[in-house]
This record gives sequence, structure tokens and C-alpha cells, in this order.
Amino acid sequence: ETGVTQSPTHLIKTRGQQVTLRCSSQSGHNTVSWYQQALGQGPQFIFQYYREEENGRGNFPPRFSGLQFPNYSSELNVNALELDDSALYLCASSLGTPDNSPLHFGNGTRLTVT
Amino acid sequence: TQLLEQSPQFLSIQEGENLTVYCNSSSVFSSLQWYRQEPGEGPVLLVTVVTGGEVKKLKRLTFQFGDARKDSSLHITAAQPGDTGLYLCAAIRPGAGSYQLTFGKGTKLSVIP
Repeated sequence: ETGVTQSPTHLIKTRGQQVTLRCSSQSGHNTVSWYQQALGQGPQFIFQYYREEENGRGNFPPRFSGLQFPNYSSELNVNALELDDSALYLCASSLGTPDNSPLHFGNGTRLTVT
Repeated sequence: TQLLEQSPQFLSIQEGENLTVYCNSSSVFSSLQWYRQEPGEGPVLLVTVVTGGEVKKLKRLTFQFGDARKDSSLHITAAQPGDTGLYLCAAIRPGAGSYQLTFGKGTKLSVIP
């Protein structure tokens, strides 16, 4: 059973640039959630995708967008990067919502915006 | 205001000691989850508690859900260096979609050999 894999592991970008982060979900999982974890904080929900549609969104601006592909892998895109976007971005896959299906997290992408 | 308040924020103890960390809220939850996150890795689910007053054990870890389902505790007996990590509690925010898990800020535990 292959776990959740994320790429790249680390990334440095300049303010104003755009970034794409990638996630391969665990085999058999059809739902992908993205979380942002700032230094010293717990993860904060960005959005969830189920069967290629956005299923729910947290309190993040529209410059945070995503995609889910037919193989259930996913991308997180962030436009017009700001310094406060520096964080660990975590992808989690599951068979459903967190109240009935455990989340399996990847090891994250560490994004630094300078 | 944080939905889930975790305490203490940091904890450094010697190997073999016991410890308890707390997760408190003013909201009532249908369930609550505990995760451990090691440096450079994503959170790993340890347990989900569902029933008020429920106690679950995972080897040396004991999890308790408050009777009113507003708070939870994690007790570790005879801590080992392998227990080092960030302990996070998480729950579905009442009134929010069931897709949205809200996390506390975590308790960072260091177990010194």
C-alpha cells in the first residue's frame, strides 16, 4: 500500500510569484484535503476535493486554488505569493469526510516566500 | 478565538516520567481526534474518541473524552524518547462542513534520554 506522497519537499519562491504543489493520494482513496501549517501552529484547512470537485473550503482567499485529477491525485496552486504564505503545506487523503474516514497525511511541502 | 485550546504548549521531561496533556473547548463535539506529528513528517492519527467519558488505550498512551464531550486528555506512562513530537487534537467545528477538521496548536513534547 503506497502512502500519500507530496512534491516538492522544499521550495523557495519570491513574493508575487506563483507556485504549484503536488500530491498523490494513498491507493484507493478518493478524497484529498489540503492544510496549511504555519510555524508553531496546528494545520489549518484550505479545501477538500472529492471526485474532481471542490467539496468544501476554509477561510482562504481565491488565490489559493486546487485541482483533483481522475486518478485522485491533486494540485494546490497559490498565486501572487505573500510572505505570510510561508508554511508547511500538507495533503491528506481519505475515503470520505474526517468524521467517518481517517485522514492519511503526506510529509508536506515546506514553502518559503522571500 | 481558538476552537481547541491545548496545554501545555511545550513539555520537556526525562525518560520514564509520566505526563498529561490537555485539549479544551467551550464547544461540544461529536468526536475528537488525537494526532502525533514528528519533525519533518505529517500528522499521524493516534485515536478517535466518540462517546462522552470514553477511555481508549494505545500501549502506554491513555486517551479520555470528557463527559460533556468538550475536552479530552492524553496521558503517557513511562515516556520514551520515541514519544517525542507534536501532539495535536482535532475536531469537526460545530456548524461547519463535516469535511473541515479544526486543529489545536499542539503540545510539543521532548523526552530526554
